[in-house]
Amino acid sequence: GENVEQHPSTLSVQEGDSAVIKCTYSDSASNYFPWYKQELGKRPQLIIDIRSNVGEKKDQRIAVTLNKTAKHFSLHITETQPEDSAVYFCAGLSNDYKLSFGAGTTVTVRA
Amino acid sequence: ETGVTQTPRHLVMGMTNKKSLKCEQHLGHNAMYWYKQSAKKPLELMFVYNFKEQTENNSVPSRFSPECPNSSHLFLHLHTLQPEDSALYLCASSQDLGVGNYGYTFGSGTRLTVV
Repeated sequence: GENVEQHPSTLSVQEGDSAVIKCTYSDSASNYFPWYKQELGKRPQLIIDIRSNVGEKKDQRIAVTLNKTAKHFSLHITETQPEDSAVYFCAGLSNDYKLSFGAGTTVTVRA
Repeated sequence: ETGVTQTPRHLVMGMTNKKSLKCEQHLGHNAMYWYKQSAKKPLELMFVYNFKEQTENNSVPSRFSPECPNSSHLFLHLHTLQPEDSALYLCASSQDLGVGNYGYTFGSGTRLTVV
């Protein structure tokens, strides 16, 4: 099955700076990689995703890059704001339809 | 709350109690999932249902018993739990299983404490 590793586990950034979270996956057959944001006491919510036939995708201040050869993908948040503070989870969907999650990154944006 | 609704939001139960968690979605999704979320660990897939048929039991102890009476409702029956079962239990749904399935919708979870 798929094994997704996520780094770092915690990330503190100054407001306005960029934040980068990296994930690696083990199953080369995985073809879909979503990122979820979970604010304290709330449900995980999909913020961006990327498919294996695309190398990069951007949505306003967030972007995701995928390197299929190296089997890693990253989340980039630019111009961070206090409301970006949350736990972020990466995940990979393999051909057996199971979504495997990373352990999460707690992002704190300092005002 | 729209999308996927879970009840109760919080539950405290003794090790000899029997309780049930409920998940409901009216998104027209055909697949539903139970995940366990513990601190500092990845979300752990517990059960998968597709068109109300169980397709995955991820080596979950028998003290957790799922039930899916229809595609819109999913239950997790709990009995004789252990303190280490304390966690946030998340329900999710998706349109379908397989590579054509993009995006899970999560519920807000049930925070379970076993005392």
